[in-house]
Amino acid sequence: DSGVTQTPKHLITATGQRVTLRCSPRSGDLSVYWYQQSLDQGLQFLIQYYNGEERAKGNILERFSAQQFPDLHSELNLSSLELGDSALYFCASSEPPTGTSTDTQYFGPGTRLTVL
Amino acid sequence: TQLLEQSPQFLSIQEGENLTVYCNSSSVFSSLQWYRQEPGEGPVLLVTVVTGGEVKKLKRLTFQFGDARKDSSLHITAAQPGDTGLYLCAGVRDSNYQLIWGAGTKLIIKP
Repeated sequence: DSGVTQTPKHLITATGQRVTLRCSPRSGDLSVYWYQQSLDQGLQFLIQYYNGEERAKGNILERFSAQQFPDLHSELNLSSLELGDSALYFCASSEPPTGTSTDTQYFGPGTRLTVL
Repeated sequence: TQLLEQSPQFLSIQEGENLTVYCNSSSVFSSLQWYRQEPGEGPVLLVTVVTGGEVKKLKRLTFQFGDARKDSSLHITAAQPGDTGLYLCAGVRDSNYQLIWGAGTKLIIKP
């Protein structure tokens, strides 16, 4: 158990819908990272937040957005869903010393999103 | 095109055999991390290598960072079924400190 929690574990929805994925980082971790993992593309970095502020952006679509709240939990919002958005979505958190990707990242169990 | 190429993509061997998986790039990384991901779970960090030529051992797993810090290898001795999983390498570039991920090597160890 990494200490990172993600809800829900599974999510099935239809094309065009909007969903929200939730992540709670390990106690004391200030950074939260979101990743998408699909069968044919490996692990894709989406976005990073550090202590409530956006720190880095990866291959995140405009239909996707995220935020980190004062209590440090984070939400990833996916809208106008398409079939190709079906994937595992992971959240990771890291320790506070530098707040960059060089820190060890602890991954949650993921949310499996299926878009029908 | 993946900035970090992992090979092989898939490997299935018998228990007790040795194996090596590779993580290659044309770019220089300030450090490189290896993760193992088991089905239904998130990746778990195994090791971070920082210095060119560095070798780190974790029980039967040996990790090496290339002298030029462009590549890395993971060697497993006497593989066991518990080693089954997806092995991911991830490199950090000095320019932006972001992790660049390889696509992974799916390893199956048959009893």
